[in-house]
Amino acid sequence: DAGVIQSPRHEVTEMGQEVTLRCKPISGHNSLFWYRQTMMRGLELLIYFNNNVPIDDSGMPEDRFSAKMPNASFSTLKIQPSEPRDSAVYFCASSSTYNSVSNYGYTFGSGTRLTVV
Amino acid sequence: GENVEQHPSTLSVQEGDSAVIKCTYSDSASNYFPWYKQELGKRPQLIIDIRSNVGEKKDQRIAVTLNKTAKHFSLHITETQPEDSAVYFCAAKGTDKLIFGTGTRLQVFP
Repeated sequence: DAGVIQSPRHEVTEMGQEVTLRCKPISGHNSLFWYRQTMMRGLELLIYFNNNVPIDDSGMPEDRFSAKMPNASFSTLKIQPSEPRDSAVYFCASSSTYNSVSNYGYTFGSGTRLTVV
Repeated sequence: GENVEQHPSTLSVQEGDSAVIKCTYSDSASNYFPWYKQELGKRPQLIIDIRSNVGEKKDQRIAVTLNKTAKHFSLHITETQPEDSAVYFCAAKGTDKLIFGTGTRLQVFP
């Protein structure tokens, strides 16, 4: 299994531009989570999906952020327009809720380091 | 909702000594408590976890203890090595999602 795959690994963009981050969860995992990590705020949960349906988006900072999961193998996090304060590492993670015996722990992707200048 | 507090925020130990990181949680319904290790520039990775029906779990040099009554759980690393240097996150899972602590930066000096 290739694990959770995120792209791009690094993104540098100018303020005001649209940024799209991509995530492919582990095959068979039915939950997907988007986190943002900064030194000041640690790991923040932005939004998560269960069976492709958004369950809780209370962590999305503002309307400039949106996330979609059109199918079980793909999700995007979009920022439009981007601002310098959006600079952070964005992690995607997936897990399975089907098997109560298996671990409920999340598997994280390698992250996307976003820099908005 | 669930709230997880983690202490200390930084911890420095000499190689070979033990390190202990403590977390408390607020939601008595939480039933799963994983620990993640994040090395510099890398992703958080699960190192050990414990469920609410178990009081202690050990895997080589690392162990986790859980006190459900007090809503405390702790990570213990024995015989620390320089490669244990990283940021460690605790987390608690209630009905639907993991809530992470703020992290502990562990430095092991040779």
